[in-house]
Amino acid sequence: GDSVTQMEGPVTLSEEAFLTINCTYTATGYPSLFWYVQYPGEGLQLLLKATKADDKGSNKGFEATYRKETTSFHLEKGSVQVSDSAVYFCALISGGGNKLTFGTGTQLKVEL
Amino acid sequence: DTEVTQTPKHLVMGMTNKKSLKCEQHMGHRAMYWYKQKAKKPPELMFVYSYEKLSINESVPSRFSPECPNSSLLNLHLHALQPEDSALYLCASSPRQVTDTQYFGPGTRLTVL
Repeated sequence: GDSVTQMEGPVTLSEEAFLTINCTYTATGYPSLFWYVQYPGEGLQLLLKATKADDKGSNKGFEATYRKETTSFHLEKGSVQVSDSAVYFCALISGGGNKLTFGTGTQLKVEL
Repeated sequence: DTEVTQTPKHLVMGMTNKKSLKCEQHMGHRAMYWYKQKAKKPPELMFVYSYEKLSINESVPSRFSPECPNSSLLNLHLHALQPEDSALYLCASSPRQVTDTQYFGPGTRLTVL
């Protein structure tokens, strides 16, 4: 079945540091890939997505590239801010799938 | 506009109460979802409605009863819940089908006493 593996958290960074959150997946066919962000006490917000190999999703300074050869969709940001502190979920849905499959989530804490 | 709204924001109920959660979207989406999220865990799918018909029920106990009165509205009726049902309940919608991008609401924080 489909699965998503994310790096364990929490990840603690200083403001303006470079961020990478690793995400790898197992899926049938060619899945669509997503990053969702959940700020404390809130619901999930779609951060970015990619629907085919080599696509790059980007939003609010975050980027992720759909790498079919390594089955990965790592999230990156060049300079994090305190306001980026949240839980980040990698997710996928495969073409024949009937539900969104989430990773376990990675908590990011950004300190001054 | 990619807004999904949910009411109430917080709900406290006893195990003998009956209450309902409400979700609304005006994006013209035809698929709507209920998820349950426990602390420090990813959301777990409960129900999917596609074109106002229940298409997926992830073996959810009957004390949770979904309803889709029209294409914009989704309800979750709660009855005789247990303390372990305390969680964040999230609604989501997508344009046509499960494989489309899902947009989530802010959730209802439910506490069962």
